[in-house]
This record gives sequence, structure tokens and C-alpha cells, in this order.
Amino acid sequence: EVQLVESGGGLVQPGGSLRLSCAASGFTFSDHYMDWVRQAPGKGLEWVGRTRNKANSYTTEYAASVKGRFTISRDDLNNSLYLQMNSLKTEDTAVYFCARAAVTYINHWGQGTLVTVSS
Amino acid sequence: EIVLTQSPGTLSLSPGERATLSCRASQSVTSSYFAWYQQKPGQAPRLLIYGASNRATGIPDRFSGSGSGTDSTLTISRLEPEDFAVYYCQQYGSSRLTFGGGTKVEIK
Repeated sequence: EVQLVESGGGLVQPGGSLRLSCAASGFTFSDHYMDWVRQAPGKGLEWVGRTRNKANSYTTEYAASVKGRFTISRDDLNNSLYLQMNSLKTEDTAVYFCARAAVTYINHWGQGTLVTVSS
Repeated sequence: EIVLTQSPGTLSLSPGERATLSCRASQSVTSSYFAWYQQKPGQAPRLLIYGASNRATGIPDRFSGSGSGTDSTLTISRLEPEDFAVYYCQQYGSSRLTFGGGTKVEIK
């Protein structure tokens, strides 16, 4: 069974940094593209970014709203995905979902971790 | 950037009725790059449809998808009590994913 478990969320001040982690199990992590998607309270889904697999050189893509501030990385040896978030803004407040992607869509989601950016 | 507009925002229906949810892209997209998700309160989204018309594993056949050009449609043939939720469409283009704003299907 595919499992994705996020951790690392919490309260951070504007301008601060936070690193989210996602522990994956139940599938061959190294084979898959992995995404982060967020959802502000009471709002819809927003794609944050992606890391491709080794076969595609671990290249990354980002939404315009986070490019230059967020960095996605992965550790295939430990089946882990990361989201380093810098220069955080109040509008980054959201539940952040780790997700396994199949290039054109997302086929598995974690339960999410809440990030609150507030002074 | 492609923008997805879902309509209606809210759909009020009774169990057993048919639900038709629409998703329109701001520019033409590859129809096979549309997907649909269901989300219930406090839960993660769940994949329903990918490639515009393919049901994901374990999804009942009352859910169906279609699409071409700028439009995609999700149809629920007969609403079951567990189908009342928020539904999101999604497209893939320029190496990025974009989601629509969602349609809430509520009990009338």
C-alpha cells in the first residue's frame, strides 16, 4: 500500500524558513516523480512544484508563486521528499500535501501538514 | 499560464440524481491531460479520473469523464450519499499542473 507521511509543519514568522519532509513507503520511490501541492484554509488546491526521478535527472519545476523561495529535493536512499521554504509570507499559510505523480496527474496523496505563517 | 474555470461553484442535488460538472481551460489543452479529484472535509484529495476519461483504481463506474479542446466534464450518473464532496479538475501543460477552483456537490 502506498503511504506518504508529511512532517515538519508548524508556526513560523513572516520572512522565516521551514523544511517539510515526506516519508514514502509501499512503492519504488526512486522510479517516481514527486510533487508538493498546498491548500490555503477554506480554499482550493495549488500545485507548488515537482521533482522528477533519476532517469530524468532529478530536474525540478515550480509554480511562479514560490519560484526562487522554495526548493524541492529528494533522497532516494531513504525514500524521502523535502520542501525547503524560505522567505515565507502570510499567503504561504496552507496545508502542504506530498504527492506521487504520474507526469500528467497525481495518483497518491499524503494527509498533509499545516504551515502557518504569522507574527 | 492556463487558468481552469469550474462551473457551477455549487451543485445542490438529491441522492440518485445525475451530476454534471464542467471545467473550462483558458486555452486549448491536450484533452488527455485532464484529471479529476474528489475531496471530502479534512481529507486529502482522491484521484477519480485521469487522461480525461480513465477511471482510477477502485473508482465506481458511476463516475465518468470526457473532454476535448478546452473543456472537460465529470459526470456522476446517480449520486450516492458518499459522493457529496468538492471536486477539482486539473490539467497538465508546460511541465506544470493547474487546478480549477472546485465545484461543491451538496445535498439538496
